[in-house]
Amino acid sequence: DAGVIQSPRHEVTEMGQEVTLRCKPISGHNSLFWYRQTMMRGLELLIYFNNNVPIDDSGMPEDRFSAKMPNASFSTLKIQPSEPRDSAVYFCASSFTGAAEKLFFGSGTQLSVL
Amino acid sequence: ELKVEQNPLFLSMQEGKNYTIYCNYSTTSDRLYWYRQDPGKSLESLFVLLSNGAVKQEGRLMASLDTKARLSTLHITAAVHDLSATYFCAVDLQGAQKLVFGQGTRLTINP
Repeated sequence: DAGVIQSPRHEVTEMGQEVTLRCKPISGHNSLFWYRQTMMRGLELLIYFNNNVPIDDSGMPEDRFSAKMPNASFSTLKIQPSEPRDSAVYFCASSFTGAAEKLFFGSGTQLSVL
Repeated sequence: ELKVEQNPLFLSMQEGKNYTIYCNYSTTSDRLYWYRQDPGKSLESLFVLLSNGAVKQEGRLMASLDTKARLSTLHITAAVHDLSATYFCAVDLQGAQKLVFGQGTRLTINP
């Protein structure tokens, strides 16, 4: 398996623009997580899905952020409009919800909002 | 609110030495994870600890969990340069793999 695949690896955009981050989880995994990593706040869970259904989005910073999982093999995290404070590394992770299966992380998307 | 605290946050040590990273958490949980992150890279799972008294070892790393003390340790034996990385512990808040991460411990091992 290729692991969790995220795209793009790097994204540079201007304030106010829409940004879409993409994630393909590991085949067979039924849980998907979006995390954000910054120097100041560390790793924060934004939202997670189970069987394509959003279970907890309490970590989503504000209405500018939205996430979807239309099927078991694809998820998006959208920021509209983007702001400089959104600059961070965004990680997607997936797992099979069972006896505490470990999370597998993607390579991340480095987002820079100018 | 669950808080996960690691110490130290920065650790510089020499090859061949032993050291321990501590992870304290504030709410009852019996699932704890350790991850490694190299600079600019993703997170790699090291250990999953599922019960009180659990101990796991992989090479020069050994992790343990004391759920009563709400404490996990990551012990490094005879450190080598390749172990230089940032190490994170994470606690499963609700048994649904909703992980809350510690701040990370940046470990630098000098030849």
